[in-house]
Amino acid sequence: EVQVVESGGGLVQSGGSLRLSCAASGFTFSRYWMHWVRQAPGKGLVWVSRINNDGSRTKYADSVKGRFTISRDNAKNTLYLQMDSLRAEDTGVYYCARDHYDFWSGYYWDSWGQGTLVTVSS
Amino acid sequence: DIQMTQSPSSLSASVGDRVTITCRASESVNSYLNWYQQKPGKAPNLLIYATSSLQSGVPSRFSGSGSGTDFTLTISSLQPEDFATYYCQQSYSIPITFGGGTKVEI
Repeated sequence: EVQVVESGGGLVQSGGSLRLSCAASGFTFSRYWMHWVRQAPGKGLVWVSRINNDGSRTKYADSVKGRFTISRDNAKNTLYLQMDSLRAEDTGVYYCARDHYDFWSGYYWDSWGQGTLVTVSS
Repeated sequence: DIQMTQSPSSLSASVGDRVTITCRASESVNSYLNWYQQKPGKAPNLLIYATSSLQSGVPSRFSGSGSGTDFTLTISSLQPEDFATYYCQQSYSIPITFGGGTKVEI
């Protein structure tokens, strides 16, 4: 069974740091691009970051560029999000998602974790 | 950035109703348009990918259509388990963007 499980969320003060993890199982992790997306309380979904399958290429939303770092360890089947200089507006549930690609259908996210809550207090 | 606009933002419907949700992109996303369902306290779940392809395990009452900038998600006969929030997503270009969501309520 394909599964991704996030961890590492919690309460942190503004300006602090957290590292989120996303443990993957049930599929060949090293073949898939992965994403982080967040959802503020009562709000919609916002894409945060993407990493390619070998970790050599990354992309970030402007709102987190320079503060967040996405990485992966394919030997450990784990995705990470290092979050520094946290702000109150970074508060929300953070999900990791597997990116499925094929030539005919393009990109879509077919497996999501249950999310981990990050609360930044000001 | 490509802006995704969903309408309506919420709707009230009854079991058995036909429900249509629209999503408009600020520029063409080709057919790279996906739909997700999210229930309270749960992660989003993929329903439709590439505009009209039904994800494995998703009931056939869900369907998608459209092209370019205008897309539609249709639920042919609303079931009790379909009351949720629905999001469109463009995966054509970075940053990937979502619509604001449509909450389907009784």
